[in-house]
Amino acid sequence: GAGVSQSPSNKVTEKGKDVELRCDPISGHTALYWYRQRLGQGLEFLIYFQGNSAPDKSGLPSDRFSAERTGESVSTLTIQRTQQEDSAVYLCASTTLQGSTEAFFGQGTRLTVV
Amino acid sequence: AQSVTQLGSHVSVSEGALVLLRCNYSSSVPPYLFWYVQYPNQGLQLLLKYTSAATLVKGINGFEAEFKKSETSFHLTKPSAHMSDAAEYFCAVSNTGGFKTIFGAGTRLFVKA
Repeated sequence: GAGVSQSPSNKVTEKGKDVELRCDPISGHTALYWYRQRLGQGLEFLIYFQGNSAPDKSGLPSDRFSAERTGESVSTLTIQRTQQEDSAVYLCASTTLQGSTEAFFGQGTRLTVV
Repeated sequence: AQSVTQLGSHVSVSEGALVLLRCNYSSSVPPYLFWYVQYPNQGLQLLLKYTSAATLVKGINGFEAEFKKSETSFHLTKPSAHMSDAAEYFCAVSNTGGFKTIFGAGTRLFVKA
């Protein structure tokens, strides 16, 4: 595709429900990142997929958070039993494994837990 | 290992004044360095990047940054601030070898009329 696509753009969910966020990276981008951005805050790294290597999950804040990616395609971030503190914008970015290539970001999914 | 430090979470300048946003990095191998901008309610977009060619890098909207290896810095500057420059700015470091890109905490730029 022309850019990184994230869906939904907005999601309101009730506390305790599970949510699934989707990221379609740029075709051919082997690397994919998920970040969380709370209101007025910086980027909080969540997870990094690097081709067929094991993902770097070091940023996932709890075992309620998980993410999957099959090959170099779509990635989904799942949050189970959502809490109010999960409310944030979730950003996805894709890039190549060439370190000189910048990351291309989606517009994000704004998650509100009520 | 890599890290990025952005000095100053908030910077305020007057319209027409010099913009200087500071970024220092740490990297065990030669780095690639990036500045991204995030306008309100939008995703991040690339302003400029250093990839070991010219040390002075020019980007969009009149911004530029200079890679200084001796100071491990990559500060972002613009000679004359415009109201439309008000945004969040992120510095980032990566390198060849599959190490994940590391972002700084961000600096919010305010431009006063």
